[in-house]
Amino acid sequence: DTAVSQTPKYLVTQMGNDKSIKCEQNLGHDTMYWYKQDSKKFLKIMFSYNNKELIINETVPNRFSPKSPDKAHLNLHINSLELGDSAVYFCASSQGSLIGYTFGSGTRLTVV
Amino acid sequence: AQSVAQPEDQVNVAEGNPLTVKCTYSVSGNPYLFWYVQYPNRGLQFLLKYITGDNLVKGSYGFEAEFNKSQTSFHLKKPSALVSDSALYFCAVRDGGGNNRLAFGKGNQVVVIP
Repeated sequence: DTAVSQTPKYLVTQMGNDKSIKCEQNLGHDTMYWYKQDSKKFLKIMFSYNNKELIINETVPNRFSPKSPDKAHLNLHINSLELGDSAVYFCASSQGSLIGYTFGSGTRLTVV
Repeated sequence: AQSVAQPEDQVNVAEGNPLTVKCTYSVSGNPYLFWYVQYPNRGLQFLLKYITGDNLVKGSYGFEAEFNKSQTSFHLKKPSALVSDSALYFCAVRDGGGNNRLAFGKGNQVVVIP
C-alpha cells in the first residue's frame, strides 16, 4: 500500500530518556514534515525536509533533531524528554505545491 | 505569514441536516486552501482543496467548499450530515507564492446527533 507509515504508534517513556520516532513514505514525494498535535488538538509544524535539506525549523527546542537518511525517510530524535513533550506527533509528505499533505497515523508520546 | 481562523470550537448538527464548518484565511499572495478530517486516534485525511478555477470545489464523502475571495473564506459544507461525519475538521492554507508550508486552523469538532 502507498502510504506514510510511522513507528511506533504508542511510546511511553520516562523523563530524561532519549527516543526516536521513524517515518517512511513510499509515495515518491520530495518533502516530508513533522507536526506536533497538543492536548487541545492544535497542529504545529516542527520540521520539513526537501531533498535532504532542512527548510523549516519552527523554533523547536534543539532537543528535537530530524534525521533524513534519504528522501523517503524522516526520523525524529528527541533527547532528554520532558513532560511537556507529551503529544501526538504526525509525519507527513507532499510533492510540489499543488497537492496537500499525506499524513501518517501518528505517534502518541507519553512522558512520565 | 499565512494563517487560518476557525471561529467555532464545536459544531452540533442533527443527522440529515446541512453541515457547515467555517474557515477564514489570511495570505499575502494567492491562497491554496485545504480541508482535512481527523477521526479519533487517526491521522489527518485530505478532503478537498482549492487552487484555482471554480469557486465551488467538491471533495470526498460528499463534502464541498466554497472559495470566497472578497470574504477571504473557505467554508466546508455537506448538504445532509451523517453520524459518521462526527470528527475533527481542519482548514489549512498555503501561500501560493511561498514555500510548501501549510498553516492549519485550530480545528472544529463536529458532532452529528442521531
